[in-house]
Parts: sequence; C-alpha cells; structure tokens
Amino acid sequence: GESVGLHLPTLSVQEGDNSIINCAYSNSASDYFIWYKQESGKGPQFIIDIRSNMDKRQGQRVTVLLNKTVKHLSLQIAATQPGDSAVYFCAENIGTGRRALTFGSGTRLQVQP
Amino acid sequence: ETGVTQSPTHLIKTRGQQVTLRCSSQSGHNTVSWYQQALGQGPQFIFQYYREEENGRGNFPPRFSGLQFPNYSSELNVNALELDDSALYLCASSLKSGGAVNEQFFGPGTRLTVL
Repeated sequence: GESVGLHLPTLSVQEGDNSIINCAYSNSASDYFIWYKQESGKGPQFIIDIRSNMDKRQGQRVTVLLNKTVKHLSLQIAATQPGDSAVYFCAENIGTGRRALTFGSGTRLQVQP
Repeated sequence: ETGVTQSPTHLIKTRGQQVTLRCSSQSGHNTVSWYQQALGQGPQFIFQYYREEENGRGNFPPRFSGLQFPNYSSELNVNALELDDSALYLCASSLKSGGAVNEQFFGPGTRLTVL
C-alpha cells in the first residue's frame, strides 16, 4: 500500500549547525502534511504543517518544504540545539473531513555539543 | 503540555485478556483519534471519534473498539489481547469545525505490555 517513508533513520549534527530531515511520500492524493517531534517517553509534538497548495512554510527556527513533483517533504531546523534531539516524524493526510494521519517510521536527530 | 491526558501510564496484561485505555481531550476539542505505536515505528491510525460516533477506521481488527462520551473523552478497548498488541497507545484530540478536522494534539500515551 501507499505510505510515508523517510530516507535516513539517524541524523547526527553539531550544535549550531542547520539540520535537514527528509521524507518521501507516495500518495499523490495527500493534501496535508505535518512534522512531529517525539521525545523519549512522550507523545508526538506538533512542529509545523503545510497544505498541498503551498511549497514552503516557515516557523520559529523551522522551515518545511514540499515538492509535489517528486513527492518529497523536508524539515529544516536552523541553529540546531541539544533540545532538538528527538525522533522526527512526517505525516500525511488525505481530505479535510477526517485527519487520519499516516506516519513514516521516523528519523532520530542527535545533536552533538 | 497539550492538555490531553491518558490513563493509565503503563499497563501489563496477559494474552487473551481485555484492556480499556482512557483519554481526556483538550478543552474545546470534539474529536479524538487513537493510534498504536510499536517500538521503533511511527504511529498507526486505529480510529477516530467525532460526536460520539466513529468517524473513520484504520486497518485494525474488530477486537479494537472505542467509545466517545458526551464530554468528548474517549476509551479504547482491546479484547483477546495478543503479544503483538504490545505498544504505546496514543490519543490525539482536535477540533472539527466546518467539516474540517484541524491540528491534532497528542497525549503522552499508555504503554501496554502483553505477556
């Protein structure tokens, strides 16, 4: 079946560097995408979302890029901090009436001091 | 903190038993979704409840059932537990308005271990 997937299971970066986490999705009908951060022992925490009619959205220190042509989603974190260490999931959804999110398997971000 | 609470935090059951997990949604939210997260994987959608009725279901067998109450809190029931049911069960609340379901806020989860 169609699913959301991630290219790299673990990403290690130096504190202060920028991080880029990538995600590939296969369902061209998906119209809403979200990035979540999950720390150990906690539920997923919303970071940023983007709808399919946009190709870029910025938040505080984070930017999400959507490339519908190649079905690719990325999360950019500026000036990565130790508190950013966590597992990051991309999720996709089809339609607005029911947000049944389809999650990828996750990328672990490790920030080295 | 999201304001979504779940109980219990941890639970140990044996194969064949039944379990009930509980979720209190964030104030003002009317929709609750349940997800199963196996170790090292992303959450998998189980089902969603809106105004006390099921509003969609994922690829889970009928022994996974749920309820939503008038105050929008929810229960997840699993019968005839199997070893593979061991996972973190996440509840997410959101507001459905104008036909659209908005951002989902997750609770901390219930860790279920089936022996």
